[in-house]
Amino acid sequence: QQQVKQSPQSLIVQKGGISIINCAYENTAFDYFPWYQQFPGKGPALLIAIRPDVSEKKEGRFTISFNKSAKQFSLHIMDSQPGDSATYFCAATKGAQKLVFGQGTRLTINP
Amino acid sequence: EAGVAQSPRYKIIEKRQSVAFWCNPISGHATLYWYQQILGQGPKLLIQFQNNGVVDDSQLPKDRFSAERLKGVDSTLKIQPAKLEDSAVYLCASSLLLGSSYEQYFGPGTRLTVT
Repeated sequence: QQQVKQSPQSLIVQKGGISIINCAYENTAFDYFPWYQQFPGKGPALLIAIRPDVSEKKEGRFTISFNKSAKQFSLHIMDSQPGDSATYFCAATKGAQKLVFGQGTRLTINP
Repeated sequence: EAGVAQSPRYKIIEKRQSVAFWCNPISGHATLYWYQQILGQGPKLLIQFQNNGVVDDSQLPKDRFSAERLKGVDSTLKIQPAKLEDSAVYLCASSLLLGSSYEQYFGPGTRLTVT
C-alpha cells in the first residue's frame, strides 16, 4: 500500500512537444504529491507539488494533474526543451513522513 | 540560502570495510532524512530525524548501518561492515515543517562503490 507506480520508464519527446509522465498510488492517507527532477550526479530537485484538494497546479511550463478518485497524478511538461532532459520522480507522503518515490522516468528531449 | 551539504561526494571501499557520510542540513530545518538510491531506482528512506530524535528507522539495516544527529544539526551515517549491495548514492534531505509546508530539499549525495 506504500507503493507509487510510475510510467513510462523512459520517454523520448521532440523539442517543443508535450512530455507526460504518470503515477498511481494506493495509500489514500497520502496528502502531498511532489515531483522531483534529477540530473546525473546531482540530488533530486523539487520541481512542483500538489495537495489532493486541487485537481491541477501549473508553474510555468510544468503542470500537475491530480485525479483523487482514480488515485492518479501526472506531470505535463509543455514546450519541452533539451534542457529538460533528466530523470523525473513522482513521490507521495503524509505530513512530514518519508517520501515514497516512483521508479523514475528518464526523459530525453531531441533537438 | 545555502543548500544541504554532503561529504564526501564519492567513496570507493572494499567489502567488509567501514565508511561514514556527513550531512549538514539547511539552516533551521528540524527534520533530516537519509535516503539510499540504488542505480536506476527511486530513493528509499533509511532513517528520519526530528531534531536529534529518531522518527523512522524501520528500513535501516541496523546490523550494519547506524546514524546519529548530535545537537540536532548535522548528521553522520555509518556502514560497518559494507557489502557489495550497499553500492548506491546516499542522499541527505532536510525539511522545515513550517505550517503545512513539507518540502524536502536534497543534497548532492555521496556515491558509494563497494568492491
